[in-house]
Amino acid sequence: GAVVSQHPSRVICKSGTSVKIECRSLDFQATTMFWYRQFPKQSLMLMATSNEGSKATYEQGVEKDKFLINHASLTLSTLTVTSAHPEDSSFYICSARPGNSNSPLHFGNGTRLTVT
Amino acid sequence: SQKIEQNSEALNIQEGKTATLTCNYTNYSPAYLQWYRQDPGRGPVFLLLIRENEKEKRKERLKVTFDTTLKQSLFHITASQPADSATYLCVPPGGATNKLIFGTGTLLAVQP
Repeated sequence: GAVVSQHPSRVICKSGTSVKIECRSLDFQATTMFWYRQFPKQSLMLMATSNEGSKATYEQGVEKDKFLINHASLTLSTLTVTSAHPEDSSFYICSARPGNSNSPLHFGNGTRLTVT
Repeated sequence: SQKIEQNSEALNIQEGKTATLTCNYTNYSPAYLQWYRQDPGRGPVFLLLIRENEKEKRKERLKVTFDTTLKQSLFHITASQPADSATYLCVPPGGATNKLIFGTGTLLAVQP
């Protein structure tokens, strides 16, 4: 089946530093990947749609200069949290779908980010 | 406005019983619904997709129904096991943007 790999699974960083999270589709090509954020006991919140070879599309309220997304190839998208603050501490999850737009999403296992 | 609703209260059942989770939708007619499972600290995992013209779909101990008259999908787990404990999410199509929006789902706890 389709596999999405996300790395790292956990990261702790200091305030003011930047953190990069990688999302790879291992056995399929993904022109589009989605980045979600989830706070404890809350639903997944879509942050942005990552488009291969073009700019990401951000959801309302998500700062594009803070959450940099790069989708450099058909199998890799990266999310960089710049100048991280403690309130950025959250669970970040990427997803992608093989096939057409009606096919299910496959998710990575998420990245637990803690900013101290 | 278009709305998908799942019971926000946790569902507690005894091992071996059938768990039934409800997903209601209002003000639109989704062409299909997807069901996902999410365990704590993990990404959601796709379980089943049921289209509006399908009354029922099964996969091992899982069964999903789609009632367009009641505007409801039911998700059943038969012979439930403690390992079935998780949050289950009912997700409508992404529309023109193909973006999937997730609610909080229903937390299922199967007691041994």
